Amino acid sequence: DVKVTQSSRYLVKRTGEKVFLECVQDMDHENMFWYRQDPGLGLRLIYFSYDVKMKEKGDIPEGYSVSREKKERFSLILESASTNQTSMYLCASRRRAGTVEQYFGPGTRLTVT
Amino acid sequence: SQELEQSPQSLIVQEGKNLTINCTSSKTLYGLYWYKQKYGEGLIFLMMLQKGGEEKSHEKITAKLDEKKQQSSLHITASQPSHAGIYLCGAAQFRKTSYDKVIFGPGTSLSVIP
Repeated sequence: DVKVTQSSRYLVKRTGEKVFLECVQDMDHENMFWYRQDPGLGLRLIYFSYDVKMKEKGDIPEGYSVSREKKERFSLILESASTNQTSMYLCASRRRAGTVEQYFGPGTRLTVT
Repeated sequence: SQELEQSPQSLIVQEGKNLTINCTSSKTLYGLYWYKQKYGEGLIFLMMLQKGGEEKSHEKITAKLDEKKQQSSLHITASQPSHAGIYLCGAAQFRKTSYDKVIFGPGTSLSVIP
């Protein structure tokens, strides 16, 4: 069965802290994505990776960076967390570009105080 | 840039009633996805439509893509509490590197009252 896991369901951090969100998939998928979801705005793409060590900016990359050292793991990094980064963060993976289905993790609800 | 709108924003229906959710694109859709999200959780893929006039069904959920490929509707027949959640439409966007990404609509929140 397909599985995407995220390191935490809920996270509370202070302004200025460095935050790591981890995502792991067990399907040998090439592509992985990080989205944030906010009420009224839907899902917005932060970064994606189409292969190991490859990354590309999405629509809202400012304030974030990513790392993909291994195929199964895609990390989202908030270098210095700010209150406007309080959101639901969703990770997804897909077999390869051009395939239909993205598999989503359960999400991490991050609160920055 | 392409944008997706969904209507209604939220919906409350009595169990057993039928309902329709709409997704409208500002540009021609090359691939339209429907996802369901249970509150506070990740997204579950429902179905994808690509051809104008295409219709697909999954259990009691039917989705259609209009002939002009700019609007899709999701119809639920005889709704049940298990249908409650947020329904999101997504559109495939093709980039010059041949890599495609998906943009999402804002979502429609559905509540089903027993």
